[in-house]
Amino acid sequence: GEDVEQSLFLSVREGDSSVINCTYTDSSSTYLYWYKQEPGAGLQLLTYIFSNMDMKQDQRLTVLLNKKDKHLSLRIADTQTGDSAIYFCAESIDTGGFKTIFGAGTRLFVKA
Amino acid sequence: SAVISQKPSRDICQRGTSLTIQCQVDSQVTMMFWYRQQPGQSLTLIATANQGSEATYESGFVIDKFPISRPNLTFSTLTVSNMSPEDSSIYLCSVEDPDRGRVGYTFGSGTRLTVV
Repeated sequence: GEDVEQSLFLSVREGDSSVINCTYTDSSSTYLYWYKQEPGAGLQLLTYIFSNMDMKQDQRLTVLLNKKDKHLSLRIADTQTGDSAIYFCAESIDTGGFKTIFGAGTRLFVKA
Repeated sequence: SAVISQKPSRDICQRGTSLTIQCQVDSQVTMMFWYRQQPGQSLTLIATANQGSEATYESGFVIDKFPISRPNLTFSTLTVSNMSPEDSSIYLCSVEDPDRGRVGYTFGSGTRLTVV
């Protein structure tokens, strides 16, 4: 079946690193995404990784993909209070057409 | 990347009434998607709207309850019909960004609907 799971909450201190984890079940994923949702706003694409990659780095963001374990993580270095938001993991799967499956979101709290 | 304007941003509606949500994109896009985000839950795809054809609905969603229009390549509407409190959610439209293709989707800011 198609399922994306992630923990619901994460709390870190400002300046520390945050690691948000996600597992997915469908092995036909093509792209995996991390979206950020700030209060009252829509989803903003933060970063993505193609399924044949292991790692992608983009400034403070590092995405790690373990395809064997179907595990995706997002590391935010030097976490700031402005990083407080809900982070959604998502996978794009090929069902004849492409379909995107979202996790329930991880709410990141950054303490000053 | 594409910019989406979604209206209204929020509304409080009476049970049994209908609300139409509008989604305007600043560039032409082939596919537009409508999602529902219930409180504390993930996004659930309601339907995919292609210009010039009937919308394709996901399991659990029907056209009579969520009629969709797609009159051109930059605009779509979703109507939530005969509302009940269970329809209270955030509704989001999304497009496959023409600059990025399938590598990520752009979302509107959402419509927060409360049914009383």
